[in-house]
Amino acid sequence: DSGVTQTPKHLITATGQRVTLRCSPRSGDLSVYWYQQSLDQGLQFLIQYYNGEERAKGNILERFSAQQFPDLHSELNLSSLELGDSALYFCASSVVPHNTEAFFGQGTRLTVV
Amino acid sequence: ELKVEQNPLFLSMQEGKNYTIYCNYSTTSDRLYWYRQDPGKSLESLFVLLSNGAVKQEGRLMASLDTKARLSTLHITAAVHDLSATYFCAVDRPPTSGSRLTFGEGTQLTVNP
Repeated sequence: DSGVTQTPKHLITATGQRVTLRCSPRSGDLSVYWYQQSLDQGLQFLIQYYNGEERAKGNILERFSAQQFPDLHSELNLSSLELGDSALYFCASSVVPHNTEAFFGQGTRLTVV
Repeated sequence: ELKVEQNPLFLSMQEGKNYTIYCNYSTTSDRLYWYRQDPGKSLESLFVLLSNGAVKQEGRLMASLDTKARLSTLHITAAVHDLSATYFCAVDRPPTSGSRLTFGEGTQLTVNP
C-alpha cells in the first residue's frame, strides 16, 4: 500500500456525463500528479499540483480539469465524456514537486458506455 | 519531445533463465525510474536511478543507467513465476519547476514454469 488513496475504484457512466475522481496523497506529500493509462495511449501524464498550485501540465484535454484543495487532496473532473475516455486514472504523490520519487494510488477505472 | 522506448514489448521466458529489458530515451535526463504493474493494479516503484553509472539491485532484478547513451537496463536473473508482470521505465523531464514522468510502452513479462 503506497499510502495514496483514490476513490472510487470503479466508475461506469454514459457518454456526455461528468465525473469527479478523488485522490488523497500520502501523509506529508505536497505534490499530486494525475496520469491516464489506456490501451491506445499507454501511460500519459495529465497534470501536477504542488501545495494547491498547478505546476506542470501534460496532455490534458480541455474537457478535463483538476484542482488541489487546502487539505492537499485533489480532484480530477472529466466532463462531456466520450467512449475514448475509458481508462485507468492514477493519482501519484510526492513530497516535493520535482526530482523525487512519486508513489501511485490504486487507480480509478473509468468505463464510459 | 521526450520519447521513451522499451524493448522488447513482450517477453516470455522460462523459470531459471536470465534476460534484459532495455529502455532508451531521447533527451537528456538524470532521473530514471522502473515500475512494476500487475494486471489492473497500481504501479509499484522498483528502482530510482539518479546518476550516470547508477546500479541498483533488489532480489533477482538489477537496474542500471547510462546517461551518456541514454539507456537503462533491467536485468532479470534466474527468473521465477512471481516476476510475471508488466515493467515500465519512466524518465523525468530535465529540472523545471514541476515534474512529469514520460513512460515507455511497458514490457509484458511472462515467466513460464
